[in-house]
Amino acid sequence: AQRVTQPEKLLSVFKGAPVELKCNYSYSGSPELFWYVQYSRQRLQLLLRHISRESIKGFTADLNKGETSFHLKKPFAQEEDSAMYYCALSPYNQGGKLIFGQGTELSVKP
Amino acid sequence: DAGITQSPRHKVTETGTPVTLRCHQTENHRYMYWYRQDPGHGLRLIHYSYGVKDTDKGEVSDGYSVSRSKTEDFLLTLESATSSQTSVYFCAISRDRGSNEQFFGPGTRLTVL
Repeated sequence: AQRVTQPEKLLSVFKGAPVELKCNYSYSGSPELFWYVQYSRQRLQLLLRHISRESIKGFTADLNKGETSFHLKKPFAQEEDSAMYYCALSPYNQGGKLIFGQGTELSVKP
Repeated sequence: DAGITQSPRHKVTETGTPVTLRCHQTENHRYMYWYRQDPGHGLRLIHYSYGVKDTDKGEVSDGYSVSRSKTEDFLLTLESATSSQTSVYFCAISRDRGSNEQFFGPGTRLTVL
């Protein structure tokens, strides 16, 4: 079965604290994984993808095939990071469709 | 905004009525997708299209149909709306299957009474 699980509905941290948003996947093959973000009153947009191994807005995510995880991390959270975060998987050769996790709402308090 | 618009942006309708949502793009992208967003479920794929007149089902396609008669428009139809179809509907586009980055529209909030 192809599935993405984000175990936390809500994650609340204080400004400057480290953040880790968890994502686990189930897929029998080499996955292509993404993190999308939706800020308040804005469209869903791509934050980062595992194949590019880049850091965007201070966020990084490492694919761990052994643990089937793709957790999103940031060492020092900022208030503007408050948003809804979705982990997504794109199965190979299936029209580019995305399978999303349930989403985690990140709230960064001052 | 990747040239994607959705119409209408908000709609309230009654159970049993037909509803059509429109997604329009100006990017000439080949792939287009319809998702629904519900609390606790994230986004779930309803249908997608990989070209004019070429469409396929997603994981929650029951009760929905789609049409794509030209590259820029992808229509989602609820033939007979039910309360379980109350949701926020997002359209997305992708340049090609290889890039896999999807660009999303602003969403349509549909309420079925």
